[in-house]
Order: sequence, then structure tokens, then C-alpha cells
Amino acid sequence: GAGVSQSPRYKVAKRGQDVALRCDPISGHVSLFWYQQALGQGPEFLTYFQNEAQLDKSGLPSDRFFAERPEGSVSTLKIQRTQQEDSAVYLCASSLDQGRNTEAFFGQGTRLTVV
Amino acid sequence: AQSVTQLDSQVPVFEEAPVELRCNYSSSVSVYLFWYVQYPNQGLQLLLKYLSGSTLVKGINGFEAEFNKSQTSFHLRKPSVHISDTAEYFCAVSDHGGGYNKLIFGAGTRLAVHP
Repeated sequence: GAGVSQSPRYKVAKRGQDVALRCDPISGHVSLFWYQQALGQGPEFLTYFQNEAQLDKSGLPSDRFFAERPEGSVSTLKIQRTQQEDSAVYLCASSLDQGRNTEAFFGQGTRLTVV
Repeated sequence: AQSVTQLDSQVPVFEEAPVELRCNYSSSVSVYLFWYVQYPNQGLQLLLKYLSGSTLVKGINGFEAEFNKSQTSFHLRKPSVHISDTAEYFCAVSDHGGGYNKLIFGAGTRLAVHP
């Protein structure tokens, strides 16, 4: 596809379960971002990858959150022992490079509901 | 730390009327400013951005925004709205620190266009 693809689109998890959210960026895009969007709020930065290197993980809310991009393309955001406060839409964005004039393209997001 | 304030959570307007969505940011350094639109169940789409140069920026779908450094504002305007403009609008700022566009978003403004 031509855009950023995220799967699954919807995920319901029981509290305490582990979940894995996948992001397929646009082919060839160097930069990849994860954001968390709580209901009624704007997206909040979680983490940034440049190719396979995770250069910024300052936004990850706890050590239960882990992200990887082992081959510099597909990325996975893993949440261990999910809690109700983890319920949110998780957005992935990619850009061709890290330059200031580079547009970030967003996926449709994964809506996670923890029950 | 940078922050973005969107002064109106909801803006109702009649079709073909003008609209202004307000955005203020706080930063002591040079910033890049963005407006994104989010349609229901879709990802964020870039409307326009200010990096440098002319303070009046034109974007897609007839939107424009004006960067005002003295007032730390970046308000979004459209002279005549359509029903299809109904969506959530997010203002964002980036200081490009670290060499990448880490976006800080406002809480969003829901634009509701009525016939």
C-alpha cells in the first residue's frame, strides 16, 4: 500500500494481558514515530526510530512499554501487563528522513481497549 | 518544556461562513508549527506548516494560518467552510531538537459545520 499501515485496527485486551501493535511504514522511510492518543486529547509522543536505532524513548510511560524496529522497516509496540490507563489510540507515523522539511505521514491507528 | 494550547475545544459554524481556530504555543526557541486534520476513524493529515519565511502559510483545502511570533500564536483560518470540513483539528509544535520533528500537539478543536 501507499500509506502507513497499522494492525490490528482494534484490540480488546483483558487487564494484565500483553499486546503487540504493528506498524508498516511507507517503504524507504527512515524515520518512524509512535504516539499515544487518549480519548479527547491530542497525540502524545512515545518514541522515535531512525532506521533500526531507537534514538528517543523519552515518552514511553513505563517500563511496560517496549518498541522495536529490528530491520529498519516494520515496527512493533509491545505493552506488557496492560492496565486500564493504557486504553488509547496508538498512532504510528513515518517520514522520508529527519529533515525539518519532511512531512510525517500517519497511519489510521490501533484503538486499544483494556477491560 | 514546550506546550500548545488550543483555546476552543469545539467550534460550531454554519456552512459558507468563515472560521478561525486558535492556537498558542510556548517556547523560547525557534519552532516549527503545524496544523493537522483528523477525520473520524482516520489518521492525521497535514494541512499546513510553518518552518521559516513568510508568516502567512497556505495549505490544502483552502486553509491558511498566520505565524505571530510576538503573540506566540498560529491561528488557522478558512474564509468559507464546507460540510466536509467537519473534523478534529490539531495544532502542533516542534523544536527540531535532536535533528528530528518530534511533535507536541494541542488537545484539538472539533469543528462542526452545519447546513
